[in-house]
Order: sequence, then C-alpha cells, then structure tokens
Amino acid sequence: AQSVTQPDIHITVSEGASLELRCNYSYGATPYLFWYVQSPGQGLQLLLKYFSGDTLVQGIKGFEAEFKRSQSSFNLRKPSVHWSDAAEYFCAVGAAGNKLTFGGGTRVLVKP
Amino acid sequence: NAGVTQTPKFRVLKTGQSMTLLCAQDMNHEYMYWYRQDPGMGLRLIHYSVGEGTTAKGEVPDGYNVSRLKKQNFLLGLESAAPSQTSVYFCASSATSGPTQETQYFGPGTRLLVL
Repeated sequence: AQSVTQPDIHITVSEGASLELRCNYSYGATPYLFWYVQSPGQGLQLLLKYFSGDTLVQGIKGFEAEFKRSQSSFNLRKPSVHWSDAAEYFCAVGAAGNKLTFGGGTRVLVKP
Repeated sequence: NAGVTQTPKFRVLKTGQSMTLLCAQDMNHEYMYWYRQDPGMGLRLIHYSVGEGTTAKGEVPDGYNVSRLKKQNFLLGLESAAPSQTSVYFCASSATSGPTQETQYFGPGTRLLVL
C-alpha cells in the first residue's frame, strides 16, 4: 500500500527566508507525486506535480520540488517566502487510476 | 467555468440525522472523489467514482454512501450521522486523458458538525 510521510507538522520561517518542506513516500512503482496548498478555510490548490522526466519540477507561486528516487523523497522548496505563503501544504502520491494518498500536512507560519 | 462546487458549505446535524452533500463539476471529468479532512491526518478517501453509474470504496467508507447518477454530480450521503463524522469534506474530480489527467481539482469543502 502506498503511504506519504510529512515529518514536520509545523514550520515557522521569516519572510524573505528560504523554505523547504519534506515529503517521503512509499510506493511500489514509479509514483505520481503532487504538492497541494490549502489556505485557511479554502480548498486545495495544486502547486506542482511530477509524473516523469526532469526530476526538478517548477510550480506556481515560485515553488519547486525535486524527486529523488533513491531517497523516496519529493521535497518542496521556495527561495524567498512571502507572508502570503502562510498555509498548510500537503504532499500526495498517486497511481494510474487517480487514487491519491495524502500526507498529514505541514503548516507554515511566516514571521514578519 | 465554476470548476468543482460543493453544497452546503456548512451544516450542523444531531446524532442520528441524515443528510446528503452535493458535489458538482463542469469540467467533464470522468473521475470524482469524496475525502474527509481531520487535523493531522491529511485527506482520506471515502468513496470514488470512475464514471457515471459507478462507485467504489476508498480508505474510510463506513457510515457513508455515494451515488453518481449524472456524470457531473457526485453525492455523499450520511444515513445516520455520528459525532465521529464531524469533519471537513472535500470533493474532487479529475480527467482520464489530456494535459491535466491524473490531477485532482478540489472543491471549497463542506464543514460538518455532528452533535
């Protein structure tokens, strides 16, 4: 069975500093990997996804993620955080047939 | 183009009451899903549908039923609500082909409180 672990429940970062959110997955074959962001009281918005090809994926809002097969990881990064990036971030793994398994989420707080 | 919409946005039920949550999508997606979100647990799949007239169980299906009578609608029913079903419910849909295949698009959520 597939699973996703986001080791950090909360992260606090200063505005303008860099951000990295960790995601580790367990899946038997080549996975489809996703990062979603959820602002308070809102639904989930897709930030980026990896299906195949280049292991460094660019997304919206200046985010990127790197797929590392050897480490079963898909970490999300942003070089300079804005106050509007305060939200909860979810990593998810999927397969053909579209069933997704989500991690528990990482809540990001941004200090002025 | 509204994407995925959910009705209602918020509901309070008493234990034992029933209700139906409606999800509608206007993207002509084949696949639709219902998730529940609880603190620290991410989203867990309740039921899903791979096409009109079909449904299947997800990770946490007990206490819920679903129907997909029309391609654009996916209904989630609670026959006898329990406090453990207090949660935020999200509907999602996805395409089976094209540039956005395998990507799920989410509705804004329904907050359900069961007393």
